[in-house]
Amino acid sequence: DIRMTQSPSSLSASVGDRVTITCRASQSISTYLNWYQQKPGKAPKLLIYAASSLQSGVPSRFSGSGSGTDFTLTISSLQPEDFATYYCQQSYSTLYTFGQGTKLEIK
Amino acid sequence: QLQLHESGSGLVKPSQTLSLTCAVSGGSISSGGYSWSWIRQPPGKGLEWIGYIFQSGSTYYNPSLKSRVTISVDRSKNQFSLKLSSVTAADTAVYYCARVRTTVSQYFDSWGQGTLVTVSS
Repeated sequence: DIRMTQSPSSLSASVGDRVTITCRASQSISTYLNWYQQKPGKAPKLLIYAASSLQSGVPSRFSGSGSGTDFTLTISSLQPEDFATYYCQQSYSTLYTFGQGTKLEIK
Repeated sequence: QLQLHESGSGLVKPSQTLSLTCAVSGGSISSGGYSWSWIRQPPGKGLEWIGYIFQSGSTYYNPSLKSRVTISVDRSKNQFSLKLSSVTAADTAVYYCARVRTTVSQYFDSWGQGTLVTVSS
């Protein structure tokens, strides 16, 4: 299995802050990396696919980068609706795996 | 706009079989470029991929669940299903169905709202 490790596991930030979440794969996955946002009681929502492609309808303050084993999700200026849990997910292997999640909380 | 909706028993006894169905509306389950998947999330925990089914009918399952999982498609009803046998309390989770975009990169681009399944006697 390809193990996905996110850091940090939790993060406190303020509205307007620039935030970066990191995801590391246990082996190279090229750019087969996706990011999802999940709010309490809701299904995950796709934000970024193929490491850096913004899903239609997702605000441009979200961006993704990386390749190989190291990836980042950046929110350029936090908005109140961005406080949620974020997951990375690899699709390099037919056995899809997710990171453990990063909970973004209001400071 | 594509919508997915999970349905099935919310309470299953230990050792029995969990059965869920995902109804797809606003699009055809036979559309090219997509496969169909199940993911689960135990209360307060992260996401675990269960498996998916391709247009061809081929299936891939998480090895940790493979011996107990079956995913199937009913194209006449535009829906797909999950069966998980010999359940235990560890299978208690919110179960999501999702569409997988299977282009060069694969990703879950549409999700159901999720349904909580509790395993308890």
